[in-house]
Amino acid sequence: DAKTTQPNSMESNEEEPVHLPCNHSTISGTDYIHWYRQLPSQGPEYVIHGLTSNVNNRMASLAIAEDRKSSTLILHRATLRDAAVYYCILRDRNNDMRFGAGTRLTVKP
Amino acid sequence: DTGVSQNPRHKITKRGQNVTFRCDPISEHNRLYWYRQTLGQGPEFLTYFQNEAQLEKSRLLSDRFSAERPKGSFSTLEIQRTEQGDSAMYLCASSLAGQGSGTDTQYFGPGTRLTVL
Repeated sequence: DAKTTQPNSMESNEEEPVHLPCNHSTISGTDYIHWYRQLPSQGPEYVIHGLTSNVNNRMASLAIAEDRKSSTLILHRATLRDAAVYYCILRDRNNDMRFGAGTRLTVKP
Repeated sequence: DTGVSQNPRHKITKRGQNVTFRCDPISEHNRLYWYRQTLGQGPEFLTYFQNEAQLEKSRLLSDRFSAERPKGSFSTLEIQRTEQGDSAMYLCASSLAGQGSGTDTQYFGPGTRLTVL
């Protein structure tokens, strides 16, 4: 299984941008990069996904390195509601989704 | 509310008892997934269904665990002879997926928290 590596925790100040890194050096050419987050006492929720090109949606942006061995989830203006555990996941054609421990993001007012 | 629902939300049982959880996916979603999550860890994949067919089972799913999706709609996860190590949050997710796409979005339910005494 392709693996991802994320920092255990990060802190941010409210209304500042946050860059959450993820390393996936063993990614295969057909693996999609997905990000989910889990707010306290809730199930995970989808944030964004991409294959090769950078992606933007209303929640975040995903910057993918040219060699695809790393990616960065960007929250443009962190709010207190963005405090969560963020998971970077590689998904293959079989659709299996394997979560790691994720990055716990703390947002300070 | 048309999201994924799970029942019960909490279950406390004694070791050795059987428990059954139910998951109602988003209507028309053809894939249904079960995960287990222990404190401080990310969700661990257990099994998934494409319509009524169970396509993959993790080795985490011992023979005490069984999952069904009889009509391709709701699903049940049963744990027989529960052990204290089964205490965890059991999460269900559903998605609308084509074959081999790897891009479908999984929508998660709130989970069922199991405590085995």
